[in-house]
Amino acid sequence: AQTVTQSQPEMSVQEAETVTLSCTYDTSENNYYLFWYKQPPSRQMILVIRQEAYKQQNATENRFSVNFQKAAKSFSLKISDSQLGDTAMYFCAFTDNSGGSNYKLTFGKGTLLTVNP
Amino acid sequence: DAGITQSPRYKITETGRQVTLMCHQTWSHSYMFWYRQDLGHGLRLIYYSAAADITDKGEVPDGYVVSRSKTENFPLTLESATRSQTSVYFCASRPHGTRPSTDTQYFGPGTRLTVL
Repeated sequence: AQTVTQSQPEMSVQEAETVTLSCTYDTSENNYYLFWYKQPPSRQMILVIRQEAYKQQNATENRFSVNFQKAAKSFSLKISDSQLGDTAMYFCAFTDNSGGSNYKLTFGKGTLLTVNP
Repeated sequence: DAGITQSPRYKITETGRQVTLMCHQTWSHSYMFWYRQDLGHGLRLIYYSAAADITDKGEVPDGYVVSRSKTENFPLTLESATRSQTSVYFCASRPHGTRPSTDTQYFGPGTRLTVL
């Protein structure tokens, strides 16, 4: 069974600075996807960024980028130029990219990020 | 622009009562999922469905029942609610396939359930 670990329950950063959220995972699969979801106080789950395991290039989405280290099974999220609206709970998630897994997501326990003015 | 909706958004019930949480999606996605979110646990999968009339257990299925008679609906029933089922419940859906355009689960807004 896959597991996802987020070792930082809470983090804080000053506005305009850069912050990195950590995530490690464990799997025996070779073909999978990794995700970062953001959950602001509104409770809505919002996809921030995705990474396909077979791609060596790290994914980027505007101010958000990942550092994907497949051999180390590490998938960290970097937020540049932090904004007050980035304050949220961030979840790392894994899915086995095969139909046999039925695309179920396994989540980490989350990291609460606070951006301070 | 519809998407995926959940109802009710908030529900308070008493121990022992039956409660049904509704989930509806307008995309005709094959797959649907129910998760519960609890402090310190992240989101955990309760049940999922690969298509109409096909459902299976997730990580924490005890005390829950699901059905999927139509592709667009995936109700979750607590047959006899317990206090430990106080939680926030999320429904999600995704299409079948492994192309980049189909690899994402889309979440509903969640239902906050309190069992007294």
